[in-house]
Amino acid sequence: EVQLVESGGGLVQPGASLKLSCVASGFTFSDYWMSWVRQTPGKTMEWIGDIKYDGSYTNYAPSLKNRFTISRDNAKSTLYLQMSNVRSEDTATYYCSAPNYGSPFAYWGQGTLVTVSS
Amino acid sequence: EIVLTQSPTTMAASPGEKVTLTCLASSSVNYMYWYQQKSSASPKLLIYYTSILASGVPDRFSGSGSGTSYSLTISSMEAEDAAIYYCLQLTSTPPTFGAGTKLELK
Repeated sequence: EVQLVESGGGLVQPGASLKLSCVASGFTFSDYWMSWVRQTPGKTMEWIGDIKYDGSYTNYAPSLKNRFTISRDNAKSTLYLQMSNVRSEDTATYYCSAPNYGSPFAYWGQGTLVTVSS
Repeated sequence: EIVLTQSPTTMAASPGEKVTLTCLASSSVNYMYWYQQKSSASPKLLIYYTSILASGVPDRFSGSGSGTSYSLTISSMEAEDAAIYYCLQLTSTPPTFGAGTKLELK
């Protein structure tokens, strides 16, 4: 069974940095592209970006690419999202996702809530 | 980027009622994907490649459409179908989601 468990969220001040983690199990993590998606309190879903199975290539939403960095450690089956210079509009639940059925978002973790506030 | 417009925004259906949700794309897309999100749970993939049901999805759900117009149909509403439904396009980068349709039980 595919499982994705995010962690690292919490309350953070504007301008700070935060690193989210997603531990994967139930599949061969190193074989698959992985993605991050976020959902705002108003329920808007936004793709953040993805990373190639070997970590050699990443794609980002244009509005986020200068502040967010996706990485992975295949030895630990772990996906990361480094967030820098966070803003109030980054307040959201952050999900990692794994592909299947022709979609990069077939499997989702439970999400981790990031709240940006002073 | 491709904008997906879902309608209606909110609706209520009675048990046994047929429900149709619509997703219109600002440009033509090859396929549409549909997700279901219940209360505070994570989104769940319902339909991929426009009309194929993901594993374990009841066959009262169906999807159809092409080009810029797609729909998700529930043939007979059940209480457990109350949720928010999102469409997703993967044809153009970045992938984009619709704003969702909230389906409530009447």
